[in-house]
Amino acid sequence: AQRVTQPEKLLSVFKGAPVELKCNYSYSGSPELFWYVQYSRQRLQLLLRHISRESIKGFTADLNKGETSFHLKKPFAQEEDSAMYYCALVTGGTSYGKLTFGQGTILTVHP
Amino acid sequence: DTAVSQTPKYLVTQMGNDKSIKCEQNLGHDTMYWYKQDSKKFLKIMFSYNNKELIINETVPNRFSPKSPDKAHLNLHINSLELGDSAVYFCASSLVAYEQYFGPGTRLTVT
Repeated sequence: AQRVTQPEKLLSVFKGAPVELKCNYSYSGSPELFWYVQYSRQRLQLLLRHISRESIKGFTADLNKGETSFHLKKPFAQEEDSAMYYCALVTGGTSYGKLTFGQGTILTVHP
Repeated sequence: DTAVSQTPKYLVTQMGNDKSIKCEQNLGHDTMYWYKQDSKKFLKIMFSYNNKELIINETVPNRFSPKSPDKAHLNLHINSLELGDSAVYFCASSLVAYEQYFGPGTRLTVT
């Protein structure tokens, strides 16, 4: 069965410091991984997907199949990055698949 | 012009009662979902419907019954509520499984 693990429940950094939110997965198929974010008083929303290899709000994430990881990184954290971050794995295909979420990491960026 | 809406936002009820949560989306998506977020913020899929057909049914007690009158609506009915049902319930919709649009959540408290 698939599994997504985010080992850090809470992560605190100071503004301008680098930040890395860890995500590891377990899946027998070809993994498709995503990061979702929930800012205070906002809805959970898609932040980025591994297949696009894009940078969103300064965040990037690289899929490392050897280490079965998909860590989210940003070189210089901003206060507005404070939020709950979920790593997610999609299984079952594009149309009828489902998302399996990690436990979530609450990121706090201090001024 | 809310994309995915849920009612009610808060629901406080006693053990043994039956309650329903409603969800509507105006995005024209074919697939809708129900998730449960527990007190530790762990987010887990419960059900998924595609064009009014049930396609995902995770290990959820029979007391939980989803109903989809049309593809824009997915309601969740819960019978004989228990203390352990207290959680935040999220509805979501999507065209593709990895990009889901979430509702604001319904906080259910069972006393």
